[in-house]
Amino acid sequence: QKEVEQNSGPLSVPEGAIASLNCTYSDRVSQSFFWYRQYSGKSPELIMSIYSNGDKEDGRFTAQLNKASQYVSLLIRDSQPSDSATYLCAVIEGGSEKLVFGKGMKLTVNP
Amino acid sequence: KAGVTQTPRYLIKTRGQQVTLSCSPISGHRSVSWYQQTPGQGLQFLFEYFSETQRNKGNFPGRFSGRQFSNSRSEMNVSTLELGDSALYLCASSFWTGTEAFFGQGTRLTVV
Repeated sequence: QKEVEQNSGPLSVPEGAIASLNCTYSDRVSQSFFWYRQYSGKSPELIMSIYSNGDKEDGRFTAQLNKASQYVSLLIRDSQPSDSATYLCAVIEGGSEKLVFGKGMKLTVNP
Repeated sequence: KAGVTQTPRYLIKTRGQQVTLSCSPISGHRSVSWYQQTPGQGLQFLFEYFSETQRNKGNFPGRFSGRQFSNSRSEMNVSTLELGDSALYLCASSFWTGTEAFFGQGTRLTVV
């Protein structure tokens, strides 16, 4: 199974700051990348999908993909306490098309 | 549109017993994947079914099995339960294999 790595964290930012979450993956042929948010005691919720190199913005969230560096990131602007959750990076493996997750990064936004 | 439905939400079983978990995907979705989530290991892939066929399987012992029905509903079974099987079991559905996946609320299994 190919690897998806996320910084171990946890990450703590003040309210209103930019939170930056990073992810690297080992499968060079992967084409589909996702970010999920998981609140404590809840199931993962899909918040961003990205398929092409560059940036994709959705409200306060921006996903960035660099296939050459095998790197995908999530920026959360104007962080709110309600953004406090674990963020999971996920990658569709080339070939098997299996969805593989990183171990997640816990984000805390302090009021 | 209804989301992914998993039943039951909570289960307590004794070591050595077996358990069956159910997942109803989003209407029109044909791919169902199962994951085990524990605090130490994160989300571990169990298996994926598409059109009643198992497409992928993770690194779990044969005690873990699954199936998918013609209406895309899926079940997973764990036999001879061990304490280490205590976890949150999550089902995710996708319209097609390799596309965006949406999770159900999960089944919390506790083995005592």
